[in-house]
Amino acid sequence: KAGVTQTPRYLIKTRGQQVTLSCSPISGHRSVSWYQQTPGQGLQFLFEYFSETQRNKGNFPGRFSGRQFSNSRSEMNVSTLELGDSALYLCASSHRTANEQFFGPGTRLTVL
Amino acid sequence: GIQVEQSPPDLILQEGANSTLRCNFSDSVNNLQWFHQNPWGQLINLFYIPSGTKQNGRLSATTVATERYSLLYISSSQTTDSGVYFCAGPTGANNLFFGTGTRLTVIP
Repeated sequence: KAGVTQTPRYLIKTRGQQVTLSCSPISGHRSVSWYQQTPGQGLQFLFEYFSETQRNKGNFPGRFSGRQFSNSRSEMNVSTLELGDSALYLCASSHRTANEQFFGPGTRLTVL
Repeated sequence: GIQVEQSPPDLILQEGANSTLRCNFSDSVNNLQWFHQNPWGQLINLFYIPSGTKQNGRLSATTVATERYSLLYISSSQTTDSGVYFCAGPTGANNLFFGTGTRLTVIP
């Protein structure tokens, strides 16, 4: 069974631009969660989608948004990028609520 | 959210040595997980261990849910064990709270 995939793997943007990251969960998994990892803040939860609905949201500004499609694939969008948005963005999928989560390889975003 | 404390923050071992990593939670968690983050950043699942003890090769983990802690044991460490180890647990919702990690360096 294929694992969680994320695209692109690396991205360089400039301040003020916007970016879209994609995540394809493990086949059969309907829950997709997003996390941000930075050296200063560690791993922090962004949001979770289940059956195309955002079920849970972390403490991030409204510039961070996401969505999930009917095939469970998910995208997250960051608008008006700031230098502090430079981070590793990780996506995880799980079969149902509070079950084991499996992570993708991540997208490393650099904002210049 | 809950606070997750991992100790030690850094650990340097000689190849072949054993080690114990600890994870303390400020509140009850269910479905605790241990991960190893590889040099490329991917989180590799080690254990999904709400309670009790599990073993996988040289690694084993024990969670005592009533006392809100979990332990990860690494025996006969190898250089490939180097990296950062995280524990994480969800609250009622499906979002994981992560510890700050233990950085393990195994030297030959």
